[in-house]
Amino acid sequence: LAKTTQPISMDSYEGQEVNITCSHNNIATNDYITWYQQFPSQGPRFIIQGYKTKVTNEVASLFIPADRKSSTLSLPRVSLSDTAVYYCLPVRKLSFGAGTTVTVRA
Amino acid sequence: DVKVTQSSRYLVKRTGEKVFLECVQDMDHENMFWYRQDPGLGLRLIYFSYDVKMKEKGDIPEGYSVSREKKERFSLILESASTNQTSMYLCASSSGTRLAEQYFGPGTRLTVT
Repeated sequence: LAKTTQPISMDSYEGQEVNITCSHNNIATNDYITWYQQFPSQGPRFIIQGYKTKVTNEVASLFIPADRKSSTLSLPRVSLSDTAVYYCLPVRKLSFGAGTTVTVRA
Repeated sequence: DVKVTQSSRYLVKRTGEKVFLECVQDMDHENMFWYRQDPGLGLRLIYFSYDVKMKEKGDIPEGYSVSREKKERFSLILESASTNQTSMYLCASSSGTRLAEQYFGPGTRLTVT
C-alpha cells in the first residue's frame, strides 16, 4: 500500500509562496495524487489532482516528478485565509493521514 | 453545488446504545464514504460504498456497520456505542468517474458517555 509522508507543520507569512512536499514511494503506476484542504470545523475540500509533471488551477499548482515518488503542492502568495491543514493522498488509498498544518502570519 | 448533509452536528449517546448517523447527497454520486477524524490521526476511512447495497471495509471498520438502500443515502451504525468511538464523523461522496474528488459534509461530533 502506498504510504504518504508529509511535514507535520509549516509556518509562512502573507504574500509568500508555500510549498508542501509529500513522499509516496510506493504509489501504484496507474494511481493519481490528490490534495485536500481543511479549515477548522469543516470537512476537507478537494484542491487539485495530478499524475505527472505539473497541474495548475485557480487555487494551487501541483508538481510531480517523473519518478512519481513525491509531489509538491505550491500555494502562491498565501493570505491569512490559507491557514489550514493540507492532505496529500493517492486516489486509491482513500484514507487521509495527519496532514500538514500550514499557519500563515501577518 | 454539491451538497452533502449529515443528520446531526452534535450527538451525545450513552455507552451501549445503538447509534445511527445519516448522510444524504444530492448529486447522484455513486461513491459514498464514512470517515472519523481524531486529533493527530487525520481522517481514517471506516467504510465506503460504490453502489446501492454495496460496501467495502476501510481501515477501521471494527465496531461499525453501514447501510446503503438508496443511492443518495449512506448510514453509519454503531451497534453498541463505546467511549472510544467518541469522535468527529465525516461523510463524503464522489462520482463514479472522479473517485478522488470527494465532497464532504459538515461532520457530526459524537460524544459517548
